[in-house]
Amino acid sequence: AQRVTQPEKLLSVFKGAPVELKCNYSYSGSPELFWYVQYSRQRLQLLLRHISRESIKGFTADLNKGETSFHLKKPFAQEEDSAMYYCALGEDSSYKLIFGSGTRLLVRP
Amino acid sequence: NAGVTQTPKFQVLKTGQSMTLQCAQDMNHEYMSWYRQDPGMGLRLIHYSVGAGITDQGEVPNGYNVSRSTTEDFPLRLLSAAPSQTSVYFCASSSRPGDRDYGYTFGSGTRLTVV
Repeated sequence: AQRVTQPEKLLSVFKGAPVELKCNYSYSGSPELFWYVQYSRQRLQLLLRHISRESIKGFTADLNKGETSFHLKKPFAQEEDSAMYYCALGEDSSYKLIFGSGTRLLVRP
Repeated sequence: NAGVTQTPKFQVLKTGQSMTLQCAQDMNHEYMSWYRQDPGMGLRLIHYSVGAGITDQGEVPNGYNVSRSTTEDFPLRLLSAAPSQTSVYFCASSSRPGDRDYGYTFGSGTRLTVV
């Protein structure tokens, strides 16, 4: 069955430290992977798509099909990066988007 | 361009009451969906639609109904509210997978409390 796993509920780092938010997926087809960010009590916003290979707000993510991972990275965390981050998988056979349980990133000053 | 609009933003219901959460999008997206967000559980798909007149169940459909009479609107109906339906509800829409701008756009959410 399709599944997205984010093993960390909370990741706490100091400002300026590197950040890696882990995401692993289970899917037999060709997945589309996304990262969404949700700032406090706001709507989810698209952060990254693996296909576009963009860098948004300093974040990058590389799809590793061998390890079935799509980890989100940033070399130097900022306090304004504190938010909830969701990894999501889009099925190629439908429009459905399957979310992981989310990781709360807390960047301390 | 308003994107995805949800109303109301907040609602308190008594157990057994019914209500409809409204969702509208102005991006001509074929796909629309409803999620509920609960602490520690991420977002769980309730119902989705791949076009007007077509709906299907997601992961947690019990207690909810949907319809899609137009491309723009996708209301979610709670038939008989229960405390377990206390949650934040998000509506989302997207274009087709493979489209250049494929990606989900979310509404601002409805915070529902059932007492």
